[in-house]
Amino acid sequence: QVQLQESGPGLVKPSQTLSLTCTVSGGSFSSGGYYWTWIRQPAGEGLEWIGRIYASGSTNYNPSLKSRSTMSVDTSKNQFSLNLSSVTAADTAVYYCARDSGSGTHSYWGQGTLVTVSS
Amino acid sequence: QSALTQPASVSGSPGQSITISCTGTSSDVGTYNYVSWYQQHPGKAPNLMIYDVTKRPSGVSNRFSGSKSGNTASLTISGLQAEDEADYHCCSYAGSNTVVFGGGTKLTVL
Repeated sequence: QVQLQESGPGLVKPSQTLSLTCTVSGGSFSSGGYYWTWIRQPAGEGLEWIGRIYASGSTNYNPSLKSRSTMSVDTSKNQFSLNLSSVTAADTAVYYCARDSGSGTHSYWGQGTLVTVSS
Repeated sequence: QSALTQPASVSGSPGQSITISCTGTSSDVGTYNYVSWYQQHPGKAPNLMIYDVTKRPSGVSNRFSGSKSGNTASLTISGLQAEDEADYHCCSYAGSNTVVFGGGTKLTVL
């Protein structure tokens, strides 16, 4: 069974960089043709796709967040990461990592981690 | 890239059927048969219920079904049960290697 687990600081100061890591276990990380995705959800709102990364390092980003987003992958650790720069209170949300088959079908999700942007 | 449009809330009584709509554009829902639906209970991660417009993952009840017409996709839940009360989110591939979600719909079982 594939499992994903987010980790990172729960509190980030405005203008700083939010950094999260997702660790994948129980499945094939580098082969299988999957995309590893970041999705966020502000309290009481819908889901927002942030972007995804392939095991090769190829990335796709939400155009509205592209200028502030950087994703990376470490296949030796079965991990992928998100950096979101110049954060504001609007970036406060639960951040999820998930596995995408390539067409936007997210079969497996992490439990989510709350990140609050506040001084 | 704009979010897909879903009704904020729907409701139904046990045993009834309800349908949740998800309206996009010709750039996403209207062009690609890659619409998925997710159920999310409070405080939990979303769970895949429908993918590729009509397909159900193993373990998902056949009371859940999906369809699409033009730029609008729909999720139908038949034989409504108390445990179906949750938020439902639609998602579509939007071309150029991007994905878009809807705003979510709160389902209340009366």
